[in-house]
Amino acid sequence: RKEVEQDPGPFNVPEGATVAFNCTYSNSASQSFFWYRQDCRKEPKLLMSVYSSGNEDGRFTAQLNRASQYISLLIRDSKLSDSATYLCVVNQGYSSASKIIFGSGTRLSIRP
Amino acid sequence: GAVVSQHPSWVICKSGTSVKIECRSLDFQATTMFWYRQFPKQSLMLMATSNEGSKATYEQGVEKDKFLINHASLTLSTLTVTSAHPEDSSFYICSPTTTSAGGPETQYFGPGTRLLVL
Repeated sequence: RKEVEQDPGPFNVPEGATVAFNCTYSNSASQSFFWYRQDCRKEPKLLMSVYSSGNEDGRFTAQLNRASQYISLLIRDSKLSDSATYLCVVNQGYSSASKIIFGSGTRLSIRP
Repeated sequence: GAVVSQHPSWVICKSGTSVKIECRSLDFQATTMFWYRQFPKQSLMLMATSNEGSKATYEQGVEKDKFLINHASLTLSTLTVTSAHPEDSSFYICSPTTTSAGGPETQYFGPGTRLLVL
């Protein structure tokens, strides 16, 4: 089983739609969680951290379910510019040597 | 946000040559440097982790004699792909990071180096 698993997609949705991605992680000791977006041939950029209580940033909402070991990202009122690959990222431990694991990404394509 | 530069952004070389990739954190000091590579349609795979002034720790399956990492200062790290072969063609991304006792604090990424070995 992969340490961090995501549905690879692609998700192809019309502009204005709401779309949700899930990500599961295997290490129950994982400490912090993030969503990154990566545009084609570019480096990943931090979209948002994911907090236990859930958090929102504009059209984006992230949630964490520790019991079920999954993280979700919800995008409302999607824009053409949201087309990208969304990476779920998990920091597995407390120490300065703790591993950061990237999911393989979910591709999102927004159509006009 | 933090500025990270990576050079070169593109390199095409013949099989057997060595390629050096530089990564600089321009406005912060990186206590830890992660090096990743990404094959097409795959996720970032951690290759190695290095702390300034120390030897790098390599992930399983990554040859330390082939991928030489030097982290001589808090703002500069280099990755040298020695005797590159076509299977080394990939997108290499550095990630200078500040760390604390709780682990990596903020992870920044360089713009990446696309390596094509012919």
